[in-house]
Amino acid sequence: QKEVEQNSGPLSVPEGAIASLNCTYSDRVSQSFFWYRQYSGKSPELIMSIYSNGDKEDGRFTAQLNKASQYVSLLIRDSQPSDSATYLCAVNGGGQGGKLIFGQGTELSVKP
Amino acid sequence: NAGVMQNPRHLVRRRGQEARLRCSPVKGHSHVYWYRQLPEEGLKFMVYLQKENIIDESGMPKERFSAEFPKEGPSILRIQQVVRGDSAAYFCASSPGLYNEQFFGPGTRLTVL
Repeated sequence: QKEVEQNSGPLSVPEGAIASLNCTYSDRVSQSFFWYRQYSGKSPELIMSIYSNGDKEDGRFTAQLNKASQYVSLLIRDSQPSDSATYLCAVNGGGQGGKLIFGQGTELSVKP
Repeated sequence: NAGVMQNPRHLVRRRGQEARLRCSPVKGHSHVYWYRQLPEEGLKFMVYLQKENIIDESGMPKERFSAEFPKEGPSILRIQQVVRGDSAAYFCASSPGLYNEQFFGPGTRLTVL
């Protein structure tokens, strides 16, 4: 079992729709959870962090964490073509110390 | 407020040469991480350092790779006797604490001919 799993996609949504990205992790004692966006040829850009169960909203982005189910998700409302990128789920803490364990990423395509 | 800086942005080396990659963390951040992204693959952790100390090098190949973060100056990732399989994007990230958010630099794209 991979430590952090994401659907690789591509996920295609029309402009203005809600994009839903999902991630599961295997280390039950993980403490910190992050979503990064990576455009092709660029570095990862942090867009959301979440540390406790529940929802966290920031603008058009909402992160959801369920530690019991070992599940993290990211919702992007009113998707724009500029949101087209690869979204990386990352987990740290627990038995892994400070390093981030990344999923393979989900490629999102927002069609005008 | 400057973010993480890495240089060079692009580096070309011939097989057998040495590559030195530099990373200056966000001002005030004492935790530095190096990650590697091979073509068409995910980001993989290599090494985690604090000033003058290697905390976790579990992701770094045992041979040819070394890292340091001296008391003064940037963190350095050194690859000796490079091979074609070392061609990748190398990213540095920094954070203010152990489980805090990590901010990434622009990366160094290494090409080995």
